[in-house]
Amino acid sequence: DAKTTQPNSMESNEEEPVHLPCNHSTISGTDYIHWYRQLPSQGPEYVIHGLTSNVNNRMASLAIAEDRKSSTLILHRATLRDAAVYYCILRGSSKAAGNKLTFGGGTRVLVKP
Amino acid sequence: DAMVIQNPRYQVTQFGKPVTLSCSQTLNHNVMYWYQQKSSQAPKLLFHYYDKDFNNEADTPDNFQSRRPNTSFCFLDIRSPGLGDAAMYLCATSRAVGGIYEQYFGPGTRLTVT
Repeated sequence: DAKTTQPNSMESNEEEPVHLPCNHSTISGTDYIHWYRQLPSQGPEYVIHGLTSNVNNRMASLAIAEDRKSSTLILHRATLRDAAVYYCILRGSSKAAGNKLTFGGGTRVLVKP
Repeated sequence: DAMVIQNPRYQVTQFGKPVTLSCSQTLNHNVMYWYQQKSSQAPKLLFHYYDKDFNNEADTPDNFQSRRPNTSFCFLDIRSPGLGDAAMYLCATSRAVGGIYEQYFGPGTRLTVT
């Protein structure tokens, strides 16, 4: 599986944007970029995913570099409820490659009031 | 709301005593997964079912087995739990396999082995 690299932790102030970087220099052309987050004492939760173009949904935005070797998850206005570990994960598009999530270390986000 | 349900949320078992964790889903998804998450670590896939097809990860110990009697239910059986099996066990589902499909996770069952 192609690997991802994320900072161990980040801090943000409430109601400010948070930009979470992810490096994936060995990404293949068919790998999707997925983001999940895990709140304390809960199961992971899907946030967003993309392939080549930037993506937006109600939770976040995903900005993907033109060469696809990095991406950034953007939380537009952090709230205390956004404090979690955020995982950047690559998933293949084939049945064999895309059947699992291989979690890396993730980034622990702390939101300060 | 459609969801992934895990019971119980907390399970205590004795060393060597078989234990079964259960997962059910109302999403009617074809794929169900079991992950293990040890303290301060990321989740790690143990195995998954695509419909009735069972797919075991290469490094999943033989001590762990799974059953899927129907679309809605999936069970994780630990035949002889050791102290090292204490962890959070997460069940997840997805409509199909492939990079475009997100996974939906349950709240997990925290297993304690005494």
